[in-house]
Amino acid sequence: AQKVTQAQTEISVVEKEDVTLDCVYETRDTTYYLFWYKQPPSGELVFLIRRNSFDEQNEISGRYSWNFQKSTSSFNFTITASQVVDSAVYFCALSEAGFQKLVFGTGTRLLVSP
Amino acid sequence: GAGVSQSPSNKVTEKGKDVELRCDPISGHTALYWYRQSLGQGLEFLIYFQGNSAPDKSGLPSDRFSAERTGGSVSTLTIQRTQQEDSAVYLCASSLEGFYGYTFGSGTRLTVV
Repeated sequence: AQKVTQAQTEISVVEKEDVTLDCVYETRDTTYYLFWYKQPPSGELVFLIRRNSFDEQNEISGRYSWNFQKSTSSFNFTITASQVVDSAVYFCALSEAGFQKLVFGTGTRLLVSP
Repeated sequence: GAGVSQSPSNKVTEKGKDVELRCDPISGHTALYWYRQSLGQGLEFLIYFQGNSAPDKSGLPSDRFSAERTGGSVSTLTIQRTQQEDSAVYLCASSLEGFYGYTFGSGTRLTVV
């Protein structure tokens, strides 16, 4: 069965600090997709990244970076030099190949204070 | 449209009444999804449409829940005889054929009193 665990319920940092959000997943499939979504206070889920199981390259997009390690079934998300606008709930999600639905973790609330 | 549009944005209903929630996906998106976000359960998958058919409705919590999609576009999620545990934010998402990640709407916040 698919499962996504985000053990950090809430993280508080001060602006300009780096922060890493952890995501651990479980799946029996060899082909699967991993996602991160951001949910700001407005409520809309914003797509950040999609990664397939065959691509273990880490990715960097501006201040955001993702570390995918199949050996530890983890797909962690790092925000460098955090900003107040990064305050949101961040969800990690998993989908197995052939299935269209996403299984979400419980989310990590990030609070960035000035 | 430019994004996924859901209506109403907020709905308060009395226990036992029926409600209809509407989703307008992004034009050209063939796949449409409904999710529910509640405090105790996180984000739960409800149903997935490809065109007008629903190959996966495994997440619908009971037979009080149903959904349809017409013209490969607008979808309606209907909850009959609402219960207090149905209170949640109902999120709709759409995607192109293939699976590249969804675009979500802002959701409908349903409160059953």
